[in-house]
Formats: sequence, C-alpha cells, structure tokens
Amino acid sequence: QQKVQQSPESLSVPEGGMASLNCTSSDRNFQYFWWYRQHSGEGPKALMSIFSDGDKKEGRFTAHLNKASLHVSLHIRDSQPSDSALYFCAASSFNKLTFGAGTRLAVCP
Amino acid sequence: GALVYQYPRRTICKSGTSMRMECQAVGFQATSVAWYRQSPQKTFELIALSTVNSAIKYEQNFTQEKFPISHPNLSFSSMTVLNAYLEDRGLYLCGARGDERLFFGHGTKLSVL
Repeated sequence: QQKVQQSPESLSVPEGGMASLNCTSSDRNFQYFWWYRQHSGEGPKALMSIFSDGDKKEGRFTAHLNKASLHVSLHIRDSQPSDSALYFCAASSFNKLTFGAGTRLAVCP
Repeated sequence: GALVYQYPRRTICKSGTSMRMECQAVGFQATSVAWYRQSPQKTFELIALSTVNSAIKYEQNFTQEKFPISHPNLSFSSMTVLNAYLEDRGLYLCGARGDERLFFGHGTKLSVL
C-alpha cells in the first residue's frame, strides 16, 4: 500500500470554480506535508507546505491539515486554466520526501 | 531565485549502455540532493538521498552499483544509469534541498531502445 494516497485521480472544474484535492498518509512518522504542481514537460514545483493542524492560506491556495486523521487537502479558489496540471502531495520524514500518485486537474475555460 | 538545472533534458540510449546526468543548484546552497525517477505513469520513486560529506543512502531496489552518484559540493551532483534497460525508462529528477523545500529541475528523460 502506498504511504501517501491521493484522490481523486483526476478532476475537472470550470474556470473560476473551486478545486479540492485530497491526500491521506498511513505513516505517523511524517512531520509535514507539501503540495507540488507539475506542468507538462517540467519538474514539480513546490506550492506550499503545512505542518500544523488547521488551514494555511497562500493567495488562491488553501491547505488544510488534520493530524489526527493524517489527512491533508488543497483547495484552489477561482481556478484558472493555467492551474491545469498534475498536483502531488508529498510527506516529509527524516529529510526524505514521499510522493503520492498525483491528481490531474483540468480547468475548463 | 533558486533554480535547479538538469542536463541533458532528454537522452536515448541503446539497451545495455550507460548514461550520465547532471544537476546544478543555482542561487542557493543545496544541503542535500535527492534523485527520483518518475515513471511514465507519473509515480515517483526515490532512488537515493545524498548529503555532501556523508554516505549516500540508497532506497530499496536501487543500488550504488547500478546508479552511482557523485556529490562533490553544495551546488553539483551527478548520477549515472549503468547498463540501462527498458525498465529504467522514465524521467529522472534531481531535487536539491534549500530553505526546507526541494527544488526540482526539469528532469532528464531517459528512453532506452
């Protein structure tokens, strides 16, 4: 079983809509979580990290962490076509980053 | 800003031959470098974690004999894929750690004929 599981596998939202991505970990050694975004033909780029319970907001992006359930989510408000990409949740433990399988987001104009 | 350059961006090699890829951190000092392989299905596998002046730690299913890594300073690392076969295909990504995050390059896409 993968230590970091993401859902859904793919998601389609209209331009201006809200996209919600989910991630669950099975390992309580993970100290904090990252969200990465990867556009086609590029390497992944870090969006934001979260390690405390609750919400963390950066612009249109809000991450939420529930440490008890090891669940982290990413919400993108006012989605833009340029947000269309692969989104990866990554969990950090002892200087090692473990990635989930990704969610493919399509924002339709 | 912090950037990571990887080269070559893509390479094609014959089955059984070897290829070397390089990774350069620009604008920051990378305290460690993680080499990943991203499969055609986009899943990530950590190959090894390298910290300057420390032993390189390889993950299960990856060995120094197959993926030798050099990490001589805080801005440069290289990895070689020895005796490449079809199962070694993928996008090899170098993640350089700086400011508590991993900065990735574009990756080196390896195709094997």
